[in-house]
Amino acid sequence: TQLLEQSPQFLSIQEGENLTVYCNSSSVFSSLQWYRQEPGEGPVLLVTVVTGGEVKKLKRLTFQFGDARKDSSLHITAAQPGDTGLYLCAGARGSWGKLQFGAGTQVVVTP
Amino acid sequence: NAGVTQTPKFQVLKTGQSMTLQCAQDMNHEYMSWYRQDPGMGLRLIHYSVGAGITDQGEVPNGYNVSRSTTEDFPLRLLSAAPSQTSVYFCASSLTTDLNNQPQHFGDGTRLSIL
Repeated sequence: TQLLEQSPQFLSIQEGENLTVYCNSSSVFSSLQWYRQEPGEGPVLLVTVVTGGEVKKLKRLTFQFGDARKDSSLHITAAQPGDTGLYLCAGARGSWGKLQFGAGTQVVVTP
Repeated sequence: NAGVTQTPKFQVLKTGQSMTLQCAQDMNHEYMSWYRQDPGMGLRLIHYSVGAGITDQGEVPNGYNVSRSTTEDFPLRLLSAAPSQTSVYFCASSLTTDLNNQPQHFGDGTRLSIL
């Protein structure tokens, strides 16, 4: 059973379009992290959201943490081919170093 | 700027063979961990270590052993490889266990196939 559910599993869009990836759970997390992973490489941390209701922006990427700290979303504005990759969310509970990962959303942006 | 280094990058084993996946970090990080990544399942924690001489089990520890004799190295041992252990293995490190405030750095993975 996946504690963190990501949707959609796969997303294919054209350059310039917007997209949103969702990460949902019935559990409360102390923080949620978003990673991007490219083929043959390890995940790379994009952002950590800690406070319920928090919104963080990283250039064209907007991350939101739900008020109840059970869900998060990643919105990409005007997607570019360089945004192609596997997006993973991961939740932390407390400060003990264990992360629960979602299964990931594969995003493909075509020129 | 090495970061987290994993070796080998690829490995093919026969059922029953043993091997060690190597992981080293040069950032003086206390917290290190091993994950496996399987299609449709995300990353699952195998074992982790909060410092030299201290290790503990994660979500899927069966069939794997770890040790942490130095801060830098955290090898993962497969005792008797099984086809179910075919996966991509990632090592990660962080300055502390507080991943709410510390980034976790991943290696590039070891792709392991068990025949």
